[in-house]
Amino acid sequence: NAGVMQNPRHLVRRRGQEARLRCSPVKGHSHVYWYRQLPEEGLKFMVYLQKENIIDESGMPKERFSAEFPKEGPSILRIQQVVRGDSAAYFCASSPGSGQPQHFGDGTRLSIL
Amino acid sequence: AQTVTQSQPEMSVQEAETVTLSCTYDTSESDYYLFWYKQPPSRQMILVIRQEAYKQQNATENRFSVNFQKAAKSFSLKISDSQLGDAAMYFCAYRSASTGANSKLTFGKGITLSVRP
Repeated sequence: NAGVMQNPRHLVRRRGQEARLRCSPVKGHSHVYWYRQLPEEGLKFMVYLQKENIIDESGMPKERFSAEFPKEGPSILRIQQVVRGDSAAYFCASSPGSGQPQHFGDGTRLSIL
Repeated sequence: AQTVTQSQPEMSVQEAETVTLSCTYDTSESDYYLFWYKQPPSRQMILVIRQEAYKQQNATENRFSVNFQKAAKSFSLKISDSQLGDAAMYFCAYRSASTGANSKLTFGKGITLSVRP
């Protein structure tokens, strides 16, 4: 069984561009979590999705950030009009159900020029 | 809201020695899970050990063990017989035992552990 797959591993964008981060959960997992890790910090929760539904987006910035987990395909974290402060590592985790152990991907390192 | 505090930013241990990493947390819940994750330079998040709050017995995984003090809201990680490969950042994390919107992980800021040969 493949683990959580995130791509790209590294993403470079210029200020004002859009960033799209993808996460394919473990096969059979229908719950996805996104976390952000700023330099020298711990991971901070952003959003929790279950197929086609957002369960908790309390950690998501109100503007420019959105997330989806469609019925088919990977979960996408989208950042519009990126700014320097968006530079961070973005981790995705998946679980088979709410409250079940979360399996992490290797993260996407986003750099903003 | 739950908080997790790791007050030591860095620690160092001699190879083959024992080191203890501290973590405290704050919650009003009675049932929850606590975790220690390891993040090596490759930046993967590796689960080291997990503790269920309703279990009084401290969790152990080979050279890793915890000292869980529920009343004090303390959850320290002990690494015995430290190895060079243990050098990494270690994060303490909390998760509610309830399902639904409370199932997110709350992390501490982490501690950088270095191992001296």
